[in-house]
Amino acid sequence: GAGVSQSPRYKVAKRGQDVALRCDPISGHVSLFWYQQALGQGPEFLTYFQNEAQLDKSGLPSDRFFAERPEGSVSTLKIQRTQQEDSAVYLCASRPPGSDTQYFGPGTRLTVL
Amino acid sequence: LAKTTQPISMDSYEGQEVNITCSHNNIATNDYITWYQQFPSQGPRFIIQGYKTKVTNEVASLFIPADRKSSTLSLPRVSLSDTAVYYCLVGDPYNNNDMRFGAGTRLTVKP
Repeated sequence: GAGVSQSPRYKVAKRGQDVALRCDPISGHVSLFWYQQALGQGPEFLTYFQNEAQLDKSGLPSDRFFAERPEGSVSTLKIQRTQQEDSAVYLCASRPPGSDTQYFGPGTRLTVL
Repeated sequence: LAKTTQPISMDSYEGQEVNITCSHNNIATNDYITWYQQFPSQGPRFIIQGYKTKVTNEVASLFIPADRKSSTLSLPRVSLSDTAVYYCLVGDPYNNNDMRFGAGTRLTVKP
């Protein structure tokens, strides 16, 4: 079946612009995670949803970062007033009920100029 | 959360067995050990998970000693396509977001 999809795959933004990154999880997966991966580093946890509830946002680096999942399926990660240090790959993962295996999307590579 | 330590990089040759060891001295009773694999331009992919002793699947084996303070991922007869970054994670899988990635081990398989 279809895996986790993310769009866009690549995004170039000028410093100060707002961006929105989309994640389509696998159907039926109630848990959804966002990660930030800097070049040469492992994924860093940003936030976690169970259905539409955002249960953990402790990893969001600043109040410029905002995530939502209003209907418990598609999720959007929004970054306001982007800065150069926001340049990274943003990964989304979903997880089915009763499992601890996360299924990752291909990521969105954000470059802030 | 238990901190993990892995080698930054490893080299191997096609056909060899590769063992990647992860240290997790502060592992808790409820923690499991999970390994993910990541290819360039892709998200990480689950490889194997274990709690103690040995786990084997079609891709790899995971060896966990009795004290559980370390674990070893074993890849039999690697090929060029096994070149990737391998992450060791330690956490309670029943605590929803308890799994954290470290820097991983970059494995390069040479012909």
